[in-house]
Amino acid sequence: GAVVSQHPSWVICKSGTSVKIECRSLDFQATTMFWYRQFPKQSLMLMATSNEGSKATYEQGVEKDKFLINHASLTLSTLTVTSAHPEDSSFYICSAREGTVHYEQYFGPGTRLTVT
Amino acid sequence: SQKIEQNSEALNIQEGKTATLTCNYTNYSPAYLQWYRQDPGRGPVFLLLIRENEKEKRKERLKVTFDTTLKQSLFHITASQPADSATYLCALEGNNRLAFGKGNQVVVIP
Repeated sequence: GAVVSQHPSWVICKSGTSVKIECRSLDFQATTMFWYRQFPKQSLMLMATSNEGSKATYEQGVEKDKFLINHASLTLSTLTVTSAHPEDSSFYICSAREGTVHYEQYFGPGTRLTVT
Repeated sequence: SQKIEQNSEALNIQEGKTATLTCNYTNYSPAYLQWYRQDPGRGPVFLLLIRENEKEKRKERLKVTFDTTLKQSLFHITASQPADSATYLCALEGNNRLAFGKGNQVVVIP
């Protein structure tokens, strides 16, 4: 079946530094990848949608200069949290879609980011 | 405004019984609705999808109903097992994206 991996699974960084999270589709080509953020006991909130080779589309209220997304290939998307602050601490989850059907998304295992 | 509501209280249920979860939505007209399972510290895992023209869908011990008039979906786990303990999320299509509820935790007591 379709598998999506994320790396790292958890990361601790100091305030003011940048952190990169990778999302890979292992056995399919992902034309679209999605990045979500989830706070404890809250729903997944879509941050941005990225299509391979083009700029990401950010949701309202998500700072594109702070959360840099690069979808450089059909199997890899990266999310870089720049100048991280404690309020950026959260669970970041990516998902990937092979075709154009919205419901066929496959989720990664998530990355726990803690900013100290 | 658009809302997807799931019960915030955990459902504690005895092993072997049927767990029933509710997902209500407002100001959506979804063509389909999905249910996911999420374990602590993990990403969601897809369980079932039901389309607007389907009343009921089954997969092994899982059953989902979808009532577009009531704007509600029910998710049933029959013969529940301790391994079913997790948080279950409903998700539906809206504005060309998947929107998720907060999830409902299920605890199956042996």
